[in-house]
Amino acid sequence: QSALTQPASVSGSPGQSITISCTGTSSDVGGYNYVSWYQQHPGKAPKLMIYDVSNRPSGVSNRFSGSKSDNTASLTISGLQAEDEADYYCSSFTASSTLVFGGGTKLTVL
Amino acid sequence: EVQLLESGGGLVQPGGSLRLSCAASGFTFSSYAMSWVRQAPGKGLEWVSAMSGSGGGTYYADSVKGRFTISRDNSKNTLYLQMNSLRAEDTAVYYCAKDRVVVVPATPDSWGLGTLVTVSS
Repeated sequence: QSALTQPASVSGSPGQSITISCTGTSSDVGGYNYVSWYQQHPGKAPKLMIYDVSNRPSGVSNRFSGSKSDNTASLTISGLQAEDEADYYCSSFTASSTLVFGGGTKLTVL
Repeated sequence: EVQLLESGGGLVQPGGSLRLSCAASGFTFSSYAMSWVRQAPGKGLEWVSAMSGSGGGTYYADSVKGRFTISRDNSKNTLYLQMNSLRAEDTAVYYCAKDRVVVVPATPDSWGLGTLVTVSS
């Protein structure tokens, strides 16, 4: 149950787009479409932003989008805003019927 | 509106036990899998355990298997986590989370505020 691999940090200026990658294996990310992305602000509970690779829950801005290619999933945030500054985590269902998270990526809006 | 309220956290000595509870409301509790996810201070999210909606399926991370036991009472809309043989590395905020599906831990979509467990002598 190794954690999925995410970059430790990414940054961008307001209005720009950024992409966060999430790399796993064929036993998790590559094998299932149960890939999700969460946003977490300091001291707060995580919030679901993307589920099933590319679907947005009701109320989540369409500036957030997700995709997957082979064993790597990606979260793209377009039109960066100051409020997007947070930690982002990916997760995936696994072949062992467990859930695995990525190590997290700190997004800084410059 | 989905609401999840964790309780039962606190300070416990290494080797001790603690039982967490999660009171759920705002949805049909028995229709969804439920998970416990923890976050050590300054660290990332770690999935701990899950149970199917009916209670017939239980799932554990290797790090807690044999020490933690998940259970649920669908008549009381409550999820539990019995934690035994606690270690310092179990220190974390423990979140209760509702899943989007009924059987397996696939997509936690609603989270509680968390309860802090501190394992220290």
